[in-house]
Amino acid sequence: SAVISQKPSRDICQRGTSLTIQCQVDSQVTMMFWYRQQPGQSLTLIATANQGSEATYESGFVIDKFPISRPNLTFSTLTVSNMSPEDSSIYLCSVEASRDRVRFGPGTRLTVL
Amino acid sequence: GQQLNQSPQSMFIQEGEDVSMNCTSSSIFNTWLWYKQDPGEGPVLLIALYKAGELTSNGRLTAQFGITRKDSFLNISASIPSDVGIYFCAGQLAGNEKLTFGTGTRLTIIP
Repeated sequence: SAVISQKPSRDICQRGTSLTIQCQVDSQVTMMFWYRQQPGQSLTLIATANQGSEATYESGFVIDKFPISRPNLTFSTLTVSNMSPEDSSIYLCSVEASRDRVRFGPGTRLTVL
Repeated sequence: GQQLNQSPQSMFIQEGEDVSMNCTSSSIFNTWLWYKQDPGEGPVLLIALYKAGELTSNGRLTAQFGITRKDSFLNISASIPSDVGIYFCAGQLAGNEKLTFGTGTRLTIIP
């Protein structure tokens, strides 16, 4: 099954700055996803990272705020732009490793001061 | 949009007790998944259910896909300390890889 790693594992950032989170998978996968988990909350899908085309964003999330790259079938990045304290969350990369089995990376814990 | 409600929101039990939690949806799903999240980690898949009425076990864990396709149940038998964590249900529609997550059940074991 796919092994997913994320960098950084955690970061503390200043308001107004941007942070790029990397997601690496040890095998080629078609579907990669980015989720957000706000403190004490469930997971919410931000977007689907499509290889070779623009990401598909869910309602409430926009490309200017969360630009995503997917240069190949094993890697994706999510940038959290112009951060505010409300962006403090865990950001999780996930992949569909096999039939209906979505697996998650360890997450990136972001704190915005 | 679809919403998944999980209950209970939290549970405080003693080691060795059995645990039951459930998840209900306002609409149907084709696949139900149950995940466990430990502090500082991403969710880990426990059980996947693909057919209405399906009952699937994974060690001490048993999950069922409700007949109406709008609910699912997870049972943990003879709980142990490492069962502590947050359990999430997730629903998935056919041909759609996106997951809709439940609100979570936080399990705490009282010494």
